[in-house]
Amino acid sequence: QQQVKQSPQSLIVQKGGIPIINCAYENTAFDYFPWYQQFPGKGPALLIAIRPDVSEKKEGRFTISFNKSAKQFSLHIMDSQPGDSATYFCAASMFAGAQKLVFGQGTRLTINP
Amino acid sequence: DTEVTQTPKHLVMGMTNKKSLKCEQHMGHRAMYWYKQKAKKPPELMFVYSYEKLSINESVPSRFSPECPNSSLLNLHLHALQPEDSALYLCASSQELAGWYEQYFGPGTRLTVT
Repeated sequence: QQQVKQSPQSLIVQKGGIPIINCAYENTAFDYFPWYQQFPGKGPALLIAIRPDVSEKKEGRFTISFNKSAKQFSLHIMDSQPGDSATYFCAASMFAGAQKLVFGQGTRLTINP
Repeated sequence: DTEVTQTPKHLVMGMTNKKSLKCEQHMGHRAMYWYKQKAKKPPELMFVYSYEKLSINESVPSRFSPECPNSSLLNLHLHALQPEDSALYLCASSQELAGWYEQYFGPGTRLTVT
């Protein structure tokens, strides 16, 4: 019940396309859902996050769609660029004295020029 | 500024060595974390400090010993490690604010145990 399932494992998209990465969770106590971007040899960088009282959030070219009833959320990258090639992790958390993030398994995204 | 710094960037140690990893943040965050990340895997939580007290230990072997000297610093003391402990060790910090818990990661220390 603590798992977050992420798909696909890898994704190849042409420049300008819209990659979509999906995540699903079971624990309804989760109340914060961030996405992280990680380049090789670097730490994960917080990209965008959403709470379950909102169905969509946009920041620049990145959009999170959230479906509370289905317990699913997804990341869309508009006008994708080769520089967006990275590994993306979704996560879910709840605060109980300290925040504990539960990560998805990651999606390796490649944007071809 | 959302910077978490970690030193050293790379560390090679033998199985009998004692070494320490250091993490620092100046964002006023009161929670700090250690994660371990193996190649092509998500970060795996090891320890959480909240207000300088250890609040979560994810059953980490005692050869890893965390320390939080003050609200800005977090150390991870390493002793008698095994080759399978080779990984990227990540530090993070966070602050809960009106229901938002933005957690920021440092660049990591690449540890190789020989």
